[in-house]
Amino acid sequence: AQTVTQSQPEMSVQEAETVTLSCTYDTSESDYYLFWYKQPPSRQMILVIRQEAYKQQNATENRFSVNFQKAAKSFSLKISDSQLGDAAMYFCAYRGGRGNEKLTFGTGTRLTIIP
Amino acid sequence: DAGITQSPRYKITETGRQVTLMCHQTWSHSYMFWYRQDLGHGLRLIYYSAAADITDKGEVPDGYVVSRSKTENFPLTLESATRSQTSVYFCASRNLLADSYNEQFFGPGTRLTVL
Repeated sequence: AQTVTQSQPEMSVQEAETVTLSCTYDTSESDYYLFWYKQPPSRQMILVIRQEAYKQQNATENRFSVNFQKAAKSFSLKISDSQLGDAAMYFCAYRGGRGNEKLTFGTGTRLTIIP
Repeated sequence: DAGITQSPRYKITETGRQVTLMCHQTWSHSYMFWYRQDLGHGLRLIYYSAAADITDKGEVPDGYVVSRSKTENFPLTLESATRSQTSVYFCASRNLLADSYNEQFFGPGTRLTVL
C-alpha cells in the first residue's frame, strides 16, 4: 500500500519570505501522480499544484513550485513571497496511474504566516 | 449554482442512530468519493464510485454504507453511528477523461458529531 508522510506538523514563515514543505511517499509503481492541496480555515480543499511522475520537469504555478525527486520519493512544495492568504493546512497526496482513482493523503502541515 | 454540494453542513446525532450525509454534483462526473478527515490522519478514503450502481471500498469502510442510483448523487449512511465516527466528511468528484491527470474536486465538508 502507498503511504504519504509529511514530517512537519507545523511551519511558520515571515510574510514575503520563502518556505518549503516536505513530503515523502512510498510506492512500487512507476506511473503515478502527486498533488498538493491547501485547506484554509473555511475547510475547502483547494488544489495548489500537481506533478506527473513521468515528467522530469518540476511543476510551477505562480508562487508555488515543487521539487520532485523521483528516486528519493520526495515531493516538496516551495512557496515564494509568502502572503497572509497562504496560511492554511497543506496536504500532500498520491494517486496511482491510470485505473487507480484513490487518493492517499499525508497528515498535513499547518502553515502560519507571520506579518 | 454548479459544483459539488454537501448537506447538511453540520450534524449532531446520538450513538446508535442512523445518519445519512448527502452529496450532489452538477458536472456529471463519473467518479465520486467519500473521505473522512481526523486530526493526525489527514483525509482517508471511505468509499468511492466509478459510475451509477458501481461502488467500492476505500481505506476505512467499516460502519458505512453507500449507494449511487443516479450519477449526480452519492449518499453516505452511518447505519448505527458511533463516537469514533465523529469527523469531518468530504465528498469529491472527478471526471473520467483520456487524461487521467484530472484533479478531484471537493465539496465543502460536513462536520458530524456523535454524542
